[in-house]
Amino acid sequence: EIVMTQTPLSSPVTLGQPASISCRSSQSLVHSDGNTYLSWLQQRPGQPPRLLIYKLSNRFSGVPDRFSGSGAGTEFTLKISSVEAEDVGVYYCIQATHFPYTFGGGTKVEIK
Amino acid sequence: EVQLVESGGGSVKPGGSLRLSCAVSGLTFSNAWVGWVRQPPGKGLEWVGRVKSKAVGGTAEYAAPVRGRFTISRDDSVNTLFLQMNSLKTEDTAVYYCTEEGEWTFVHWGQGTLVTVSS
Repeated sequence: EIVMTQTPLSSPVTLGQPASISCRSSQSLVHSDGNTYLSWLQQRPGQPPRLLIYKLSNRFSGVPDRFSGSGAGTEFTLKISSVEAEDVGVYYCIQATHFPYTFGGGTKVEIK
Repeated sequence: EVQLVESGGGSVKPGGSLRLSCAVSGLTFSNAWVGWVRQPPGKGLEWVGRVKSKAVGGTAEYAAPVRGRFTISRDDSVNTLFLQMNSLKTEDTAVYYCTEEGEWTFVHWGQGTLVTVSS
């Protein structure tokens, strides 16, 4: 089973400033078809998770363009270009290249 | 608009059983790969299992901690997903989310239903 490790556990950020979350996998997430099946979810307080980014860098429908995903192999990053109050919550990476799907432990984004 | 609505959560003693349902609308359910993800109180997300569409065999797959105790099934005639949970343990206590897969990830999520296993 692939282990997904997120850092930091918590990220206090100032409104309007950028934020960055890292995710590392225990094996390469490059699939035999050439795609990297790494996604990012956002979970606001008291809400179910919501898909932000799929297949490494594709924003899901309705997701603001301040969110972006990047990376390669075993190292991945979610960036928020300018944090807004509604971005508070826990962010999870998830890999689907190898079965079973596995989640990172989560990174809490909070406002300073 | 895609909607997934779970029901059936509640409290049960260790060793007991519970059946969750998830009513799905806004998509062609028979073509969907659907499943369950759980979240223990205050903790992270854990994949429970899924069932593929009948077009590709309709097989169910499970995470190791629940294999042999949980059964996932679907009724395409009423657009509903089920999770039968037997031999429940305290560590099964969690919010259970119904999910729809697509693009090799979990695209749509329900609001979740809480299952508490306690003596």
